[in-house]
Amino acid sequence: DTAVSQTPKYLVTQMGNDKSIKCEQNLGHDTMYWYKQDSKKFLKIMFSYNNKELIINETVPNRFSPKSPDKAHLNLHINSLELGDSAVYFCASSRGLAGVLTTDTQYFGPGTRLTVL
Amino acid sequence: AQSVTQLGSHVSVSEGALVLLRCNYSSSVPPYLFWYVQYPNQGLQLLLKYTSAATLVKGINGFEAEFKKSETSFHLTKPSAHMSDAAEYFCAVSGGTGFQKLVFGTGTRLLVSP
Repeated sequence: DTAVSQTPKYLVTQMGNDKSIKCEQNLGHDTMYWYKQDSKKFLKIMFSYNNKELIINETVPNRFSPKSPDKAHLNLHINSLELGDSAVYFCASSRGLAGVLTTDTQYFGPGTRLTVL
Repeated sequence: AQSVTQLGSHVSVSEGALVLLRCNYSSSVPPYLFWYVQYPNQGLQLLLKYTSAATLVKGINGFEAEFKKSETSFHLTKPSAHMSDAAEYFCAVSGGTGFQKLVFGTGTRLLVSP
């Protein structure tokens, strides 16, 4: 059983297009995340949702819009794609949130490699 | 703000040799520290985590790490490397009150030669 799944695995598109990446988790977790891994393998958090509510929004261009239809899904929509958006995008989930729950393990999906031409 | 520094973007060892991957952290609050492994074309998998209990933490696949507050370090070790250990390893920190946010280091690629 796949715990955190993402589709598509690869995405190649032209500059200026709009694209979406989907993420689903079957772990019953309350919190989901989007991370961006650049060409140098550096991982940085972009967004986090808890029970469909946005709780972390890092300095990300507003061309990126996360959407959580329910707590098991967190999709990432990107408008007007730019060359610099090329990266691997990882979805993750964890059981809970702050305080005593900050030690919760985050479970990562397999990643979506986005290439903008 | 919290941060981690991983010394050495690449570490090469021979099969059977000791593995030592270095991680130093900076945190204004007691940190929680994590090591994740990323195999080629895969997502990240948790190896182990320090959550302020025992300072020596044992993880999966024979890895362990020791939290040393005086040195602000959380180095990852394994007594004997296997070929299957070749991967990218990431140290991460989170902690304090507020929302759980992992801050990752830049990663260390472990190369294992026969």
